[in-house]
Amino acid sequence: QVQLVQSGAEVKKPGASVKVSCKASGYTFTSYDINWVRQATGQGLEWMGWMNPNSGNTGYAQKFQGRVTMTRNTSISTAYMELSSLRSEDTAVYYCARVVVRDYMDVWGKGTTVTVSS
Amino acid sequence: SYVLTQPPSVSVAPGKTARITCGGNNIGSKSVHWYQQKPGQAPVLVIYYDSDRPSGIPERFSGSNSGNTATLTISRVEAGDEADYYCQVWDSSSDHQMVFGGGTKLTVL
Repeated sequence: QVQLVQSGAEVKKPGASVKVSCKASGYTFTSYDINWVRQATGQGLEWMGWMNPNSGNTGYAQKFQGRVTMTRNTSISTAYMELSSLRSEDTAVYYCARVVVRDYMDVWGKGTTVTVSS
Repeated sequence: SYVLTQPPSVSVAPGKTARITCGGNNIGSKSVHWYQQKPGQAPVLVIYYDSDRPSGIPERFSGSNSGNTATLTISRVEAGDEADYYCQVWDSSSDHQMVFGGGTKLTVL
C-alpha cells in the first residue's frame, strides 16, 4: 500500500538544524510532489513548501525561505526537509505528504515531533 | 497573501447535519480541499476538488464551493466524525503558496 514513513522524534537546541526524512513506498516516488506541513501543539496546519522528486525543484513558503531546504534521494525513494537556525517556535509535528497535481495531499506520513529547547 | 477563514467550532447532535464553512475572496474560482484530523493523528483527505470524495470516505461527506464560501457538509453525523477540519487551496497568484484555513473543531453533542 502507498505509505510515507517518517524518521523519529528529534530534540534540538536553539540555533541548531534538524533534518527529517520521509521514505515513500507503494508508488513511483518520482511521479508525485512531496509537501511538508507542520503543526504546533494546539495550532493549525502550516504549509512549509513542496519538492518535485523527479527534478529536485522546490518552492518554499515565504515564512521559511532562507531557513528550509528540501531535498531527495531517488535511489531510496526518500525526501528530506532540513530546517536551520531553530528557535522555540519551531517546536511542532512535521508532516510530509504526497501531492496530487500540486493541488491536494492524498497520503500523509504519521509526523515527526521536533522539540527545540535549551 | 490569500486568507481562508473558518469558524473555530461547530457543534451538532448525532444524526443531524453539520456544515463547516471556509471563506475566501472569490474562493469559488479556486479548487478547495478538505482534511479531517483526529487528536494525535495525521490529517486525512475527505473532499478534493470542491466536492469529490476519495475512496473509503463515506457518502455522508460532501462539499460545495461558490462565490466567497466553500462548505463541507457532513450528513447523519456520528460520534466518530468529531475532529478538526481544515480547508485548503493552492494560491496560484503571485505568491504560489498552499494555504490552509485555521481549522474548525467539530463537536458531536
